Amino acid sequence: NAGVTQTPKFRILKIGQSMTLQCAQDMNHNYMYWYRQDPGMGLKLIYYSVGAGITDKGEVPNGYNVSRSTTEDFPLRLELAAPSQTSVYFCASSSDRPTQQYFGPGTRLTVT
Amino acid sequence: GENVEQHPSTLSVQEGDSAVIKCTYSDSASNYFPWYKQELGKRPQLIIDIRSNVGEKKDQRIAVTLNKTAKHFSLHITETQPEDSAVYFCAAVNAGGTSYGKLTFGQGTILTVHP
Repeated sequence: NAGVTQTPKFRILKIGQSMTLQCAQDMNHNYMYWYRQDPGMGLKLIYYSVGAGITDKGEVPNGYNVSRSTTEDFPLRLELAAPSQTSVYFCASSSDRPTQQYFGPGTRLTVT
Repeated sequence: GENVEQHPSTLSVQEGDSAVIKCTYSDSASNYFPWYKQELGKRPQLIIDIRSNVGEKKDQRIAVTLNKTAKHFSLHITETQPEDSAVYFCAAVNAGGTSYGKLTFGQGTILTVHP
């Protein structure tokens, strides 16, 4: 099993550009999450999904969108990138509540 | 919603000493408390967790204690080694509610173990 994978690993965006951060898991987990981690800070939940076709907002959803068309994939869309979105983004999944969340390797995003 | 406070924010110990990190939570309905370790530039990884029906859990040099009455839980690392140096996060969630596994994380503790 590859576990949770994320692409790209690094990305630099200009202000106003858009991009999609990809996340996939091969563990057949129903629950998936997107977090952001600012330098020296903890993890804040952006969006989560409890299954294909079901998503909901977390603590800091503004400026982001998600979709969940399959169990495996949970992409995060950034529209009109802003410097405040400079962060490390982690995707995670879990099989049920509450169990261990498995994290992907992260995407380091810089918006300049 | 749940609020988790974690202390201290930084902790420096000598190799072989013990380290203790404490967290308090606000929602008395929370019943699952994991601890994650994040090495520099790496992803968070679960190191130990405890459920509310247990007061203490141990795994080799790592232990977690839970006091439901006081709403706090602690991570204890004994015989610390330089490879224990990392950021440690506590978290809490109400497993039985509509939280859907959404963890509320503490702010993190930077642990440095000096050889």
